[in-house]
Amino acid sequence: NAGVTQTPKFQVLKTGQSMTLQCAQDMNHEYMSWYRQDPGMGLRLIHYSVGAGITDQGEVPNGYNVSRSTTEDFPLRLLSAAPSQTSVYFCASSSNRNGYTFGSGTRLTVV
Amino acid sequence: TQLLEQSPQFLSIQEGENLTVYCNSSSVFSSLQWYRQEPGEGPVLLVTVVTGGEVKKLKRLTFQFGDARKDSSLHITAAQPGDTGLYLCAGEGSNFGNEKLTFGTGTRLTIIP
Repeated sequence: NAGVTQTPKFQVLKTGQSMTLQCAQDMNHEYMSWYRQDPGMGLRLIHYSVGAGITDQGEVPNGYNVSRSTTEDFPLRLLSAAPSQTSVYFCASSSNRNGYTFGSGTRLTVV
Repeated sequence: TQLLEQSPQFLSIQEGENLTVYCNSSSVFSSLQWYRQEPGEGPVLLVTVVTGGEVKKLKRLTFQFGDARKDSSLHITAAQPGDTGLYLCAGEGSNFGNEKLTFGTGTRLTIIP
């Protein structure tokens, strides 16, 4: 099994550009989440989903959109990139919320 | 927002020593999860504890969930260089409809050979 696959692994954006970070899981997990990890800040929840068609905001949702049209995919869209969005982004999924499987991350730099 | 505080933030000890990492909150959690993260990788789940007072062992690692389900500890016996990494605790909200997993800021552990 591939688990949780995130693409791209690295990305450089200019301020104001938009892009979509892709996340796909092949474990038929209902729960999926997006986190960002910054030095000294731990992982902060951006958006999460408890099933296809259902999404909700996390701790730091501003500047990001998500959708969950299928169980497998949970893309994260940056609407207009800002330097403050420079971070490492992790997608995670779970079948029962008692433990999540994480992807290997996308390292994003906004210049 | 449910906050989780981990201590210590950094810990560097000699191989063979014992150590304990703490994860504390004023909030009640339905479960408490521990992860280990290595550079350039995503966190990997070590254990989940769900019952107040629960103790789980994973080889040399012992995890305990506080009786009130507000805190947890991770004890490592006879630390090995392979234990080096960032240890993260994460709590699942206890309220219906609060399906959020909140992470602590982490403990960066270095085991010196």
